[in-house]
Amino acid sequence: EVQLVESGGGLVQPGGSLRLSCAGSGFTFSAYPMHWVRQAPGKGLESVSAISETGGTTYYASSVKGRFTVSRDNSKNTLYLQMGSLRAEDMAVYYCTRENPPGGTDYWGQGTLVTVSS
Amino acid sequence: DVVMTQSPLSLPVTLGQPASISCRSSQILIFSDGNTYLNWFQQRPGQSPRRLIYKVSDRDSGVPDRFSGSGSGTDFTLKISRVEAEDVGLYYCMQGTQWPWTFGQGTKVEIK
Repeated sequence: EVQLVESGGGLVQPGGSLRLSCAGSGFTFSAYPMHWVRQAPGKGLESVSAISETGGTTYYASSVKGRFTVSRDNSKNTLYLQMGSLRAEDMAVYYCTRENPPGGTDYWGQGTLVTVSS
Repeated sequence: DVVMTQSPLSLPVTLGQPASISCRSSQILIFSDGNTYLNWFQQRPGQSPRRLIYKVSDRDSGVPDRFSGSGSGTDFTLKISRVEAEDVGLYYCMQGTQWPWTFGQGTKVEIK
């Protein structure tokens, strides 16, 4: 059974940093591009970042470019999102998702909540 | 960025009746490989999104066949042939043709 489990969310002050993790299981993690998608409270969905199977290619939404860094450790079946210079508008549930087939995401984790507040 | 516009944003439906959600993209969604990467997701209250449809009309495994997707170019539709109580929730279209992938605003389906 495919599972994606996010962790690392929590309360952080504006300007602070946080690292999210997503552990994948039940599939060959290294064979799939992976994505982070977020959802602000009561709002819609927003693509944040994506990373290729090997980690050699990364993508970022313009709203987070230069502040967030996506990475993966295929030996640990884990996806990461390093978030810096956090702002109130970054407050959201962050979902880890698997890209399959190309152009779409088939499995989503349960999400981890990031709260940015002083 | 490709803008995805859904309508309606609220859709009250009667149990057993059909429902239809429209999604329009600001650019043609045909990728260089000839595929159109238009997806539909369902998000039930308190749950993570679940994909229903990918590449315009391919249904994901386990998705009831009352859900169907159609369209081309910039105009796409999700249809529910007979709405059931478990279909209540938010529905989003999403394009995966051009980065950043973008979602529609969401359509709230509720029972009358």
